[in-house]
Amino acid sequence: EIVLTQSPGTLSLSPGETAILSCRASQRVSNKYFAWYQHKPGQPPRLLVFGTLKRATGVPDRFSGSGSGTDFTLTISRLEPEDFALYYCQQFDSTSWTFGQGTKVEV
Amino acid sequence: QVQLQESGPGLVKPAQTLSLTCSVSGGSINNDSYYWSWIRQPPGKVLEWLGYVHARGNPYYNVSLQSRLTMSMDKSQNQFSLRLTSVTAADTAVYYCARHLGASFDLWGQGILVTVSS
Repeated sequence: EIVLTQSPGTLSLSPGETAILSCRASQRVSNKYFAWYQHKPGQPPRLLVFGTLKRATGVPDRFSGSGSGTDFTLTISRLEPEDFALYYCQQFDSTSWTFGQGTKVEV
Repeated sequence: QVQLQESGPGLVKPAQTLSLTCSVSGGSINNDSYYWSWIRQPPGKVLEWLGYVHARGNPYYNVSLQSRLTMSMDKSQNQFSLRLTSVTAADTAVYYCARHLGASFDLWGQGILVTVSS
């Protein structure tokens, strides 16, 4: 099973700043099979980015994904108040899906 | 638009069977394009994918749970279900149903908290 480790655990920023979230995989992950989600309390996770860098429908362009191999990044530019939330990375390795432990972006 | 909603008991006794249903509205689960999964998140822990069902083909399970897990589809009711046997406190979690197309989950239910306790 591929383990995903996200860093940092918590990111303390102000609106208007840029958040850079990292996700490191224990083994190489195909770019096709890497995604990021936003999770707010009381709501289900929301798909933000799939295929490493493709934004899901309705996701603002201030969210951008990048990376390859074992290192992936989600960048949130110009943080808006609604962006303060928990973010998970996720991979699929042709047998199962695994998720990272999350990065909390807080004010 | 398509919506998913989990339902089932919020409390299950240890050693018993946990049964949940995901009702899909606004679209058909009898669609070759989509797969329908269950994912759970124990309190303070990582999201864990449990398995999926598909309109064509057999269910596919996480190997760590496959001995206790059964998933099925009811196309007439536009629902899919999960049964987890011999539950323990470690199975306490928020359980989500979700849709995926390819390798990412584009639509999720609200989630249902299931507590295993006597």
